[in-house]
Amino acid sequence: DAGITQSPRHKVTETGTPVTLRCHQTENHRYMYWYRQDPGHGLRLIHYSYGVKDTDKGEVSDGYSVSRSKTEDFLLTLESATSSQTSVYFCAISFLAGAGNDEQFFGPGTRLTVL
Amino acid sequence: RKEVEQDPGPFNVPEGATVAFNCTYSNSASQSFFWYRQDCRKEPKLLMSVYSSGNEDGRFTAQLNRASQYISLLIRDSKLSDSATYLCVVRGGGSYIPTFGRGTSLIVHP
Repeated sequence: DAGITQSPRHKVTETGTPVTLRCHQTENHRYMYWYRQDPGHGLRLIHYSYGVKDTDKGEVSDGYSVSRSKTEDFLLTLESATSSQTSVYFCAISFLAGAGNDEQFFGPGTRLTVL
Repeated sequence: RKEVEQDPGPFNVPEGATVAFNCTYSNSASQSFFWYRQDCRKEPKLLMSVYSSGNEDGRFTAQLNRASQYISLLIRDSKLSDSATYLCVVRGGGSYIPTFGRGTSLIVHP
């Protein structure tokens, strides 16, 4: 299994509080992604990174920010959590993006509940 | 129209059955295609890539039809352990970011 960990694995928080989720990889892969998964919507890309300090928005980036100061860590921050951000969050990594059949490896996920 | 579409199912089949899923994509310039498997409350994992010539891995066969813009997954001799959600993933056509379908649920019963 690819070396990807996410922390915390579970979190319950209150509306309006800031939340930071961490993704850590030991594979030295260049590309990292944050997704959320909700019933009826499947996996939706929030933000992604193509290198240290290089990030870009995905399809559902409103209300989220990211940072990548080291190759191995990709942080997702909810500046002021809302109930609509209750979801399962997955981090993913890939070595080569768009180069042939390069696969993504996913972390175990973080279950976030915003009350 | 969503870029990648799948029938959500569930497909409910007995052990030993053959079952097939299709996935359609809208971007004709797409270049890479994958099937991922996701077990309940777990992360997605790559099942197989889909090559232009089609490919087979044991009981699983994947096909690509570029003319009609769909990929398929065939599972022969279904096992109880095949019960999962199968995600179709498409990439390319001007972006290296993959697009996921919403998944097809498979339930294999005794």
